[in-house]
Order: sequence, then C-alpha cells, then structure tokens
Amino acid sequence: AQKVTQAQTEISVVEKEDVTLDCVYETRDTTYYLFWYKQPPSGELVFLIRRNSFDEQNEISGRYSWNFQKSTSSFNFTITASQVVDSAVYFCALSGGTSYGKLTFGQGTILTVHP
Amino acid sequence: EAGVTQFPSHSVIEKGQTVTLRCDPISGHDNLYWYRRVMGKEIKFLLHFVKESKQDESGMPNNRFLAERTGGTYSTLKVQPAELEDSGVYFCASSQDGTLPTDTQYFGPGTRLTVL
Repeated sequence: AQKVTQAQTEISVVEKEDVTLDCVYETRDTTYYLFWYKQPPSGELVFLIRRNSFDEQNEISGRYSWNFQKSTSSFNFTITASQVVDSAVYFCALSGGTSYGKLTFGQGTILTVHP
Repeated sequence: EAGVTQFPSHSVIEKGQTVTLRCDPISGHDNLYWYRRVMGKEIKFLLHFVKESKQDESGMPNNRFLAERTGGTYSTLKVQPAELEDSGVYFCASSQDGTLPTDTQYFGPGTRLTVL
C-alpha cells in the first residue's frame, strides 16, 4: 500500500522568510511519481511539479525548490523569500505501480504567510 | 483553454436526499477522476474513467455512490441516499493519457457537499 505523510499541519511565517514543507512517502513500487499541488483560497488544486523515482536531482523553479531523497523517502518543498500570495494549502502526492491514474495524497500543510 | 469545471460549487442537503455533482473535464482529455476530501483528512481517490469506461473504481465507498460518464465527456457523481459522513469536498480531475506515468492530472475547484 502507498502512503504519504505531511507531518506539518500548519506553518506560519512572516513574508521574506524561507519555509520548507516536508513530505515522506511509503511505497513498494520501484517506479513511482511524486507530485506537489497548491490549493489557493479559490479551491482548485494547482499542479506544481512531478518527479519520477529515477531522478534524484533537485529542481528549482524561481523561488520554489524541491529536494528528493530516496534514501529517506522524502520529497520536501522549499519556498525561498516567501510572499503573502504563497499562502495556501500544499499537498504532496504519489502514484505508481499499476495504477498511475490513482494519486495518493498527504493530509496537506496549511501555509500562512503574514505581511 | 478552459480548465476543469465543477457544478455546483456548494450543496447543502438533508440526510436521505439525493445529490448529483457534475464535472466537465478539459476538452480533449480522455481521463477523468473523482476524489473526495473529508474534513481534515487527506484527499482520497474514488474512481477513474477512460472515456466512458470505468478504469478503476476501487475507491468508491459503497453502492450509494454512482458515477457516470456518458459519451466520454462530462461526468456525474450521484449520492443516493446521502448520509452525514458523505460531507466533504468532491474534486474532479482530468488528464490526457492516464496510462502514462508522466501524465499530469488537472483539478477543478471542487464541490463542497454538506449533509445535515
């Protein structure tokens, strides 16, 4: 069975601070994919990134960066110089095995960035 | 290009009533998914359509839930009769090719269902 754990329920920071959202996963599949989605107040889940299990290179996109470590089964997400617009719920998700169409989500982390 | 749309955005019904949720996927997307988030818990998979066929319905909680996708375009999810524990946010997502591991699912804004 697959499982995703986001241990941080809520995080509160002040604008311009860096913040890291943790994601730990469990899977028996050798090939799998990890995702991060952002849910702003408008409600829809916005796709941020997809990473496959064979690519452990870290990725940076503007103020966002992701650290994938298979040794610790983690896929952490860092926002550098946070802004108020980053306030949202962030979900980590996993797919793999024979059901790539089925995403397994973590419980989400509520990030609040104060001005 | 329009994203995934869902209707209604909110629904409040009484226990025992019937509710039908609708999802319109992104045009051209053969794959359509339903997920549900019960208050404070993780988003859980309900089922996956490929065109009009149910590819995976392993997440459907019980036979009070009926999903259809006639013609392979929009989908409906009917709950009949609704129970208190059905309250939550129902998300729909679509993707181009669900058989590819690289396929990305694009989500709608969800329908918030409250059963009183």
